Amino acid sequence: KNEVEQSPQNLTAQEGEFITINCSYSVGISALHWLQQHPGGGIVSLFMLSSGKKKHGRLIATINIQEKHSSLHITASHPRDSAVYICAVRSTSYSGGGADGLTFGKGTHLIIQP
Amino acid sequence: DAEITQSPRHKITETGRQVTLACHQTWNHNNMFWYRQDLGHGLRLIHYSYGVQDTNKGEVSDGYSVSRSNTEDLPLTLESAASSQTSVYFCASSERGAGTGELFFGEGSRLTVL
Repeated sequence: KNEVEQSPQNLTAQEGEFITINCSYSVGISALHWLQQHPGGGIVSLFMLSSGKKKHGRLIATINIQEKHSSLHITASHPRDSAVYICAVRSTSYSGGGADGLTFGKGTHLIIQP
Repeated sequence: DAEITQSPRHKITETGRQVTLACHQTWNHNNMFWYRQDLGHGLRLIHYSYGVQDTNKGEVSDGYSVSRSNTEDLPLTLESAASSQTSVYFCASSERGAGTGELFFGEGSRLTVL
């Protein structure tokens, strides 16, 4: 069974700090998603990646397929980055039916203090 | 702008009642999904659809049903609501299925079953 573990579960930092959120998984994957959920509930897709690195503004996502690990980095963090960050992976062993291929982590709750 | 909307945003009901949560998307995506989000769990897939007249069970489908009569809508019905179905429900759509496409989420529907 594919397990997706995120660390840390909770993170409080000061404005301006460099933030790293980690996601580890246990099976081979073909895609990894990073999602952001703000207080009040809406979920937004940040990245989908299968190799290497992607950057959007102050957000950077990296993935190491061999080590089964991905990181989400936030540079020059700001209070508006406070949210829950969710990792989800699509297993290469997905054979259809029952799950649409995605397994979600439980999320990392990030608070950036001014 | 294309969007995905859910209604109602908040609902309180009694055990045994039938409840329907609406989901409407204007992305023209074939793939639509219903998830539930509970403390201590990652998002869990309830049902999904890859197109009109297509519906599939997810990992937590017991007590729920969906129908897909057009591209835009995927209503989720709880036939006889139970307290265990108190949760936040998210609808999502994607251009590609099986976890290989970017997911677009609605704002969520918070359901309380008393």
